Amino acid sequence: ELKVEQNPLFLSMQEGKNYTIYCNYSTTSDRLYWYRQDPGKSLESLFVLLSNGAVKQEGRLMASLDTKARLSTLHITAAVHDLSATYFCAVDAAGGGADGLTFGKGTHLIIQP
Amino acid sequence: DTGVSQNPRHKITKRGQNVTFRCDPISEHNRLYWYRQTLGQGPEFLTYFQNEAQLEKSRLLSDRFSAERPKGSFSTLEIQRTEQGDSAMYLCASSLLAGEVTQYFGPGTRLLVL
Repeated sequence: ELKVEQNPLFLSMQEGKNYTIYCNYSTTSDRLYWYRQDPGKSLESLFVLLSNGAVKQEGRLMASLDTKARLSTLHITAAVHDLSATYFCAVDAAGGGADGLTFGKGTHLIIQP
Repeated sequence: DTGVSQNPRHKITKRGQNVTFRCDPISEHNRLYWYRQTLGQGPEFLTYFQNEAQLEKSRLLSDRFSAERPKGSFSTLEIQRTEQGDSAMYLCASSLLAGEVTQYFGPGTRLLVL
């Protein structure tokens, strides 16, 4: 059974600081997704990582994938309050969307002024 | 905006009643997924359709749950004889068949079973 573990699960940080969220998964996969969820809202797609060594950046967020280590990271640079949300990583173990995505428990991020 | 839509957005029901939710995917998307999310957890996969064919079901999908996607367009998820443990957010997502296969999520239907 595929397991996806995120850490930390909770993170409180100050504006302007940098931090990294880690996502480990237990089976071979070369498709990993990062989503953002605001309280009471649905999930917003942030990044799709499709191969070993893939790196994508959007604004203050950068995601990377190491398929050999079964590890993805989401790095936050110079955090701002608007980035406060819950961030999920999700793995597509079957490839191409079959079997759905397996999500981690999420990292609840609070960025304080 | 032609994103994924779901109705109703909220549903309160009494234990033992049947409920049905509807999902309208992004129009050109072949695949449609149902997930369930409980408080403080990530979404859990329930089932998915490719066009009108239901291709995969999670073991979470008990025989009280049934999903359909007639004509490969909208989908419905029905829960019969609801239980308090069914209380959750039910999320629908859709994707293309190829390429990045990013799943785009709808706003969800929040179910409360009393």
